[in-house]
Amino acid sequence: QKEVEQNSGPLSVPEGAIASLNCTYSDRGSQSFFWYRQYSGKSPELIMFIYSNGDKEDGRFTAQLNKASQYVSLLIRDSQPSDSATYLCAVMDAGKSTFGDGTTLTVKP
Amino acid sequence: NAGVTQTPKFRILKIGQSMTLQCAQDMNHNYMYWYRQDPGMGLKLIYYSVGAGITDKGEVPNGYNVSRSTTEDFPLRLELAAPSQTSVYFCASSYSQADYNEQFFGPGTRLTVL
Repeated sequence: QKEVEQNSGPLSVPEGAIASLNCTYSDRGSQSFFWYRQYSGKSPELIMFIYSNGDKEDGRFTAQLNKASQYVSLLIRDSQPSDSATYLCAVMDAGKSTFGDGTTLTVKP
Repeated sequence: NAGVTQTPKFRILKIGQSMTLQCAQDMNHNYMYWYRQDPGMGLKLIYYSVGAGITDKGEVPNGYNVSRSTTEDFPLRLELAAPSQTSVYFCASSYSQADYNEQFFGPGTRLTVL
């Protein structure tokens, strides 16, 4: 079993819709969770991190964490074509990051 | 600040050749990382360093070596290149190893081994 699993893509949503990206992890002791956005041919950039159960909002982005279910998600509200990218979930434990394989999102105008 | 820089951007190697991928950061970060990313996949940690003179293996260290003689530089050495090492290599740095810290990535080096 992979340590970090993301919902298989690609995911396509119309402009203005909510995009939902999901991630599960196997190590119950994991402490912090990151969402990186990666445009094609570019390097990853951090968009959200979360370490407490519940929701964390930043603009159009909301990260949700449920440690009991070992589940973290990213919601993108009012999706824009510029949100089209691959989203990588990363779980950090003792300083080492484990990344999922990513979910590719396409937002259609 | 230039952030994290990597050279070269692209490289083609023949099987059995060696090369060094350069990485430098000017943010005075203690922690530096090397990842590889195969097509359609996430990032796999190769090696990381918590400070000058200290390095440790990540998930996929075989076929690679690193050194960290200064805070700024963290080169990755490929010995006896193999086709399985064809990938995009990203270097990253962070201020500390604390679990809540953001990693800053370089632009990547695209390596092809033929």
